[in-house]
Amino acid sequence: GAVVSQHPSWVICKSGTSVKIECRSLDFQATTMFWYRQFPKQSLMLMATSNEGSKATYEQGVEKDKFLINHASLTLSTLTVTSAHPEDSSFYICSVEGFTGETQYFGPGTRLLVL
Amino acid sequence: GNSVTQMEGPVTLSEEAFLTINCTYTATGYPSLFWYVQYPGEGLQLLLKATKADDKGSNKGFEATYRKETTSFHLEKGSVQVSDSAVYFCALRSSASYGKLTFGQGTILTVHP
Repeated sequence: GAVVSQHPSWVICKSGTSVKIECRSLDFQATTMFWYRQFPKQSLMLMATSNEGSKATYEQGVEKDKFLINHASLTLSTLTVTSAHPEDSSFYICSVEGFTGETQYFGPGTRLLVL
Repeated sequence: GNSVTQMEGPVTLSEEAFLTINCTYTATGYPSLFWYVQYPGEGLQLLLKATKADDKGSNKGFEATYRKETTSFHLEKGSVQVSDSAVYFCALRSSASYGKLTFGQGTILTVHP
């Protein structure tokens, strides 16, 4: 399976600042990556689908101007939480679609705490 | 639309007990089915999968059979260990959903010595 990393693993920021989270596919080129958020003791909610070289596709209810996604290369996608507020505190997880398109491989997640 | 329903947790078992976590789904087309596991403080890991009816996925002593007639994909293990304590997510991927995964709500499993 694919190896996916995320950076940082844990970030604390002040309300109103922006935070960038990186998702890297370490061992193969990924044309499609997904971004999820997970609230405590709840399931994963898909935020957006990130396609290399094109605009991300956001799920209904997700503000594209607040959660900026850039998939600039086949190994890197970034999620920027702009003007973060305490309600944005969550666990953000990215995944990479495998070569066959059948399986997703997940990063370890980034825990964001906005004070 | 697609949906996945898992049995309510949390589930608490003694070591070596038998485990069943129920999962049922609704989907358009012919979905692939997955079980993911999330250990404390970590991201999700693929545990097993099945891509067509009657397929059985298995890994690390866990098994699940794709039952189209009952739209189910129940997870089983004959003898759980303390190290199996984690959150288990059932998920589906249908061709109609452009690769997106739909997750169940997750089931917390705690195994005591």
